[in-house]
Amino acid sequence: EPEVTQTPSHQVTQMGQEVILRCVPISNHLYFYWYRQILGQKVEFLVSFYNNEISEKSEIFDDQFSVERPDGSNFTLKIRSTKLEDSAMYFCASSEFAGTGLYEQYFGPGTRLTVT
Amino acid sequence: AQSVTQLDSQVPVFEEAPVELRCNYSSSVSVYLFWYVQYPNQGLQLLLKYLSGSTLVESINGFEAEFNKSQTSFHLRKPSVHISDTAEYFCAVTKGGKLIFGQGTELSVKP
Repeated sequence: EPEVTQTPSHQVTQMGQEVILRCVPISNHLYFYWYRQILGQKVEFLVSFYNNEISEKSEIFDDQFSVERPDGSNFTLKIRSTKLEDSAMYFCASSEFAGTGLYEQYFGPGTRLTVT
Repeated sequence: AQSVTQLDSQVPVFEEAPVELRCNYSSSVSVYLFWYVQYPNQGLQLLLKYLSGSTLVESINGFEAEFNKSQTSFHLRKPSVHISDTAEYFCAVTKGGKLIFGQGTELSVKP
């Protein structure tokens, strides 16, 4: 069964450093998402991406964040200058379609980012 | 704005007992409702969804949820739980793309 994969599973970085979280969505999916979950809090939407551009972003997704689909398979989330409060589990998801919500979002296992 | 509230952060139950995980949502428009499950060290998996039609939806592993528009609820139930059901359960709503999640309920099934 096809699945979304994410690398690395755990990333430790120092405050102020840049990190890139990588995701490989399911191959025939067109919509891509990043969510995050700070320890003990709810899963929060960060950004959605379609046709090589951002469809929607939350207020969390400020100028320190960017997303990219550098090739036909990877989908990346970059944090330019990490802060302590960026420590969280980051989930990538993909779906065949969005809009009506009729298509399921498939989630990866997550990358745990720890900023020290 | 849409929001989701899961009323219980932790639910401990004994094996073979029934369980109900509560979820309430607020939205001024019609929404689609989901339950996701997260097993330890794994990603979120869709358990079941309500889009339209019958208000009672079922999953393949014995869970069911009932959409109640008047009470704006979408509670998840299972008549008899197994040890393997131990996981975190998330209720979510969507109206076009992004999912809005509740805080999650940790279901712990004890022998």
